[in-house]
Amino acid sequence: ETGVTQSPTHLIKTRGQQVTLRCSSQSGHNTVSWYQQALGQGPQFIFQYYREEENGRGNFPPRFSGLQFPNYSSELNVNALELDDSALYLCASSLGGHSYNEQFFGPGTRLTVL
Amino acid sequence: RKEVEQDPGPFNVPEGATVAFNCTYSNSASQSFFWYRQDCRKEPKLLMSVYSSGNEDGRFTAQLNRASQYISLLIRDSKLSDSATYLCVVPPLPSSGGSYIPTFGRGTSLIVHP
Repeated sequence: ETGVTQSPTHLIKTRGQQVTLRCSSQSGHNTVSWYQQALGQGPQFIFQYYREEENGRGNFPPRFSGLQFPNYSSELNVNALELDDSALYLCASSLGGHSYNEQFFGPGTRLTVL
Repeated sequence: RKEVEQDPGPFNVPEGATVAFNCTYSNSASQSFFWYRQDCRKEPKLLMSVYSSGNEDGRFTAQLNRASQYISLLIRDSKLSDSATYLCVVPPLPSSGGSYIPTFGRGTSLIVHP
């Protein structure tokens, strides 16, 4: 077990709705990264938060947003859900935001958009 | 050329076999590389880091070929439990903002059969 938890584990939404996914980082880690993994694909980097600030962003539209709290837990918000948003959403915690260190992944949230 | 490319496989091998996967990358300035293992419907877990020419851990060997811009993962004496998807990660150089945006390959599927 990595100590990284995510909630909920599964979620079903309809097009146009909004969703909030949550992640608790491993104790001592100050960086959380979010990834989207479609079936049969590798994880795609959404963004990273380091000490409550966005520290890098992948090629995702603005309707994907997030934040990090003082205890380093994090939320991913997706507005105006589309069918293609159906995927496994992974968060990963690590130490240090400005270099790539080993990331510890949570079990993921599987989102289905109908 | 994609930033990170992997042969999706599947590689179907008998127990005891030796198998190798390659991962090619486009940014010649990349300095560090990582192999993750992902079991079906589970989160990725770090398998090996590669910072220089290579790394070895038991039956697993990772090698880096900078001239041809690929990293390889060699698994000797394959076990049934090695069946998984193997993802390579290439962190590009930091953007002007100083943040790393890691790029995962789509993964290579390995099936080890009796």
